[in-house]
Amino acid sequence: DVKVTQSSRYLVKRTGEKVFLECVQDMDHENMFWYRQDPGLGLRLIYFSYDVKMKEKGDIPEGYSVSREKKERFSLILESASTNQTSMYLCASSSWTDSSYNSPLHFGNGTRLTVT
Amino acid sequence: GQNIDQPTEMTATEGAIVQINCTYQTSGFNGLFWYQQHAGEAPTFLSYNVLDGLEEKGRFSSFLSRSKGYSYLLLKELQMKDSASYLCAVRDEDNYGQNFVFGPGTRLSVLP
Repeated sequence: DVKVTQSSRYLVKRTGEKVFLECVQDMDHENMFWYRQDPGLGLRLIYFSYDVKMKEKGDIPEGYSVSREKKERFSLILESASTNQTSMYLCASSSWTDSSYNSPLHFGNGTRLTVT
Repeated sequence: GQNIDQPTEMTATEGAIVQINCTYQTSGFNGLFWYQQHAGEAPTFLSYNVLDGLEEKGRFSSFLSRSKGYSYLLLKELQMKDSASYLCAVRDEDNYGQNFVFGPGTRLSVLP
């Protein structure tokens, strides 16, 4: 089974702090994603990476940056946390070659971030 | 623009059948996915449709009509453990064909 692991389940940070959310996957997947999930809005893509050091902006990249130095690890960085970044953050991975089901996303358990 | 609609909440009785609808308008189409998400947990993949018709997988079935931009997830013989949110997602052509557009999710409550 694919395992996507997020380093923290719950985080509480203060406004203005720099926040790092870490994600590791163990299935050698090429693609990794960061989403945020808010009630009534569904999952919204923040950033996507299809290879080491490669990144693409998603729908809501403002206030976020990412880093992918190794294939298995994808980090989300909040440069200066704000209260409107309080949310559930979900990391996911997928493979180009998982053609049996057209490369579904495999999700981590999420990090619930509260910014006060 | 991109838009996916689902009912916000549904309630059904244990042992019954429930149908969760999803309508979509997206730029391109490379498949429709259903995910199940229990409270506080990760979404897990349930089903995938890329051609019109019904895909059956045990108690769960998913239907797709591409011409109508419509899908449904059918859950039979409901069990209490089926209480969860169900997410409809369309994979479109952005981000090298890896872009998933998600609906808001349908929270299903199964009552005894």
